[in-house]
Order: sequence, then C-alpha cells, then structure tokens
Amino acid sequence: GEDVEQSLFLSVREGDSSVINCTYTDSSSTYLYWYKQEPGAGLQLLTYIFSNMDMKQDQRLTVLLNKKDKHLSLRIADTQTGDSAIYFCAELPGGYQKVTFGTGTKLQVIP
Amino acid sequence: NAGVTQTPKFQVLKTGQSMTLQCAQDMNHNSMYWYRQDPGMGLRLIYYSASEGTTDKGEVPNGYNVSRLNKREFSLRLESAAPSQTSVYFCASRGDSGDSNYEQYFGPGTRLTVT
Repeated sequence: GEDVEQSLFLSVREGDSSVINCTYTDSSSTYLYWYKQEPGAGLQLLTYIFSNMDMKQDQRLTVLLNKKDKHLSLRIADTQTGDSAIYFCAELPGGYQKVTFGTGTKLQVIP
Repeated sequence: NAGVTQTPKFQVLKTGQSMTLQCAQDMNHNSMYWYRQDPGMGLRLIYYSASEGTTDKGEVPNGYNVSRLNKREFSLRLESAAPSQTSVYFCASRGDSGDSNYEQYFGPGTRLTVT
C-alpha cells in the first residue's frame, strides 16, 4: 500500500536551516514532490525530484532522495519568517494517476 | 487564466442537508481530483477523474458523489451531510504526459462545517 509519513511539527530560528523529512513506501514512485500550504490557501508546488535523481537544488531549497531507505528530505537554507507554512511531501507511483500526500509538517520560524 | 476555482469558500450545513461543491479549471487538464484535509491527516483523496466522462473512487469516497460535467468542471456532492464531513475540501487538476512533472494545481479550498 501507499503511505507517506512526516513529523507533524518543526520549529527553527530565522536564519537557520530547516530540514523536513518524509518516508514513503511505494518503490514504484516516479516523482516525489514538496508542496507548501500557507494559512487559508491551497497547496502550491515548491519543488520536485524524479526518482532517478539523488539530489536537486533550487536556490534555497535542497531535496535529497534516498531510494534504498525510501526517504525524502527538504532542506531550506537561511529560513525566513515567510517560510512558515505546512509542507507536504507527496509521491506519484508509476501508474501516474493518484498522488499520495503525507500528513504535512508545520514549520514555525521564530524571529 | 484563473487556474482552479472553487465555490463556495465557506459553508455551514445542518446534518442531513445536501450540497454541491463546484470546481472549474481553465488549464485544459484531463485529470481532476477532490481531496479533504483534516488536522494531522494530510490530504485524503475522495474521488478523481482521469478524463471527461470517467470518475474513480479514492481513499474516502463514502458519503460523496461526483460529476465530471465536462473537461473544465468537476463537482462534489454531499447527499446527506454528517458532522464527520466537516473538513476543508480541495479540488485539484493536473497536466498529463506532455507536462514535465505532473504537477497538481490546487484551488483555494472550501471550508465546510456540518452541525
């Protein structure tokens, strides 16, 4: 079955790095995503990684993928108060139809 | 280009009442989805539609029906609302193999309370 797990809460100080972790179970997953949800809004795609990659960097964001352990992480460098939000990881299995979302990690940035 | 729109934004229902949540997208996407979001449970898929005229059950379909009216619109109906259906409902659409990453685009959500 498909199950995506995340810790529920993370608190960091402004300027520090944040690392949000995720584990997934479907070994056929092709794409893995990080979505950001700000209060009162829908989800927006932050970044993604294809399953044949180990790492992807996009400005302050670094995604690491460990396929052996089915572990995905999102690192936000120089975290700002505007980064406070809920972050969801998600996987798209090889059937390319249904994305499975994690429970979400609420990131609190302390000024 | 409005993306994904949902109506209404807020709704309060009494137990047993019915209502339809509307969703429309203007990105010419084939796939559309309905999710519910509850605290600590992430997003759970209610129904999805891979193309106009087709719908399939997701993880939590009980108590809901859907209609894919045309390529643009995908509605979610609660025939007899229950307090357990109090949630935030999100509609999403997604591009297909021609797009690079199968990104899903989300609407702003409908906050439904059933008393």
